[in-house]
Amino acid sequence: NAGVTQTPKFRILKIGQSMTLQCAQDMNHNYMYWYRQDPGMGLKLIYYSVGAGITDKGEVPNGYNVSRSTTEDFPLRLELAAPSQTSVYFCASRSDHRSPLHFGNGTRLTVT
Amino acid sequence: ILNVEQSPQSLHVQEGDSTNFTCSFPSSNFYALHWYRWETAKSPEALFVMTLNGDEKKKGRISATLNTKEGYSYLYIKGSQPEDSATYLCACFSGSARQLTFGSGTQLTVLP
Repeated sequence: NAGVTQTPKFRILKIGQSMTLQCAQDMNHNYMYWYRQDPGMGLKLIYYSVGAGITDKGEVPNGYNVSRSTTEDFPLRLELAAPSQTSVYFCASRSDHRSPLHFGNGTRLTVT
Repeated sequence: ILNVEQSPQSLHVQEGDSTNFTCSFPSSNFYALHWYRWETAKSPEALFVMTLNGDEKKKGRISATLNTKEGYSYLYIKGSQPEDSATYLCACFSGSARQLTFGSGTQLTVLP
């Protein structure tokens, strides 16, 4: 099993550009999450999904959008990149409420 | 948004020392407490998921306890080794059980 796969691993964007961070899992997990890692702040939840067709905002959703058209995929969209979105982004999934999160390897994004 | 706090923020110990960290969380509407180990340049890996008051879990030299009534969990490492150096994250799941809120982590450095 590949687990949770994130692409790309690294990306540099200019202010105002847009991009999509891809996340796919092959474990048939219902729950999927996007977190960003800010120095000294741990992991902040951006968006999450409890199943295909269902998404909801987390703690820091502004500037981002998500979709969940299939169980496997949970892409994160940045429409107008800003320097404040420079961060490491982690996608994660889990099977149910008693299970731990399985994380992808992260995407390091720099906006200049 | 839950207030999940971890202490200390960072810790240096000598190889062979035993150590422990604290995670505090709101005790109301508690559902689950997670511990993760996060090595530099990698993604977080799950250590424990605990749900019941009084739960104790162990994996090798690492163990954890849970007190849901007073809202805290301890993580213990016995006989620390340099390979234990990492950031240890706790995360609390409560309320609707859809969002996992992370603490800022305890960064452990084990000196040889």
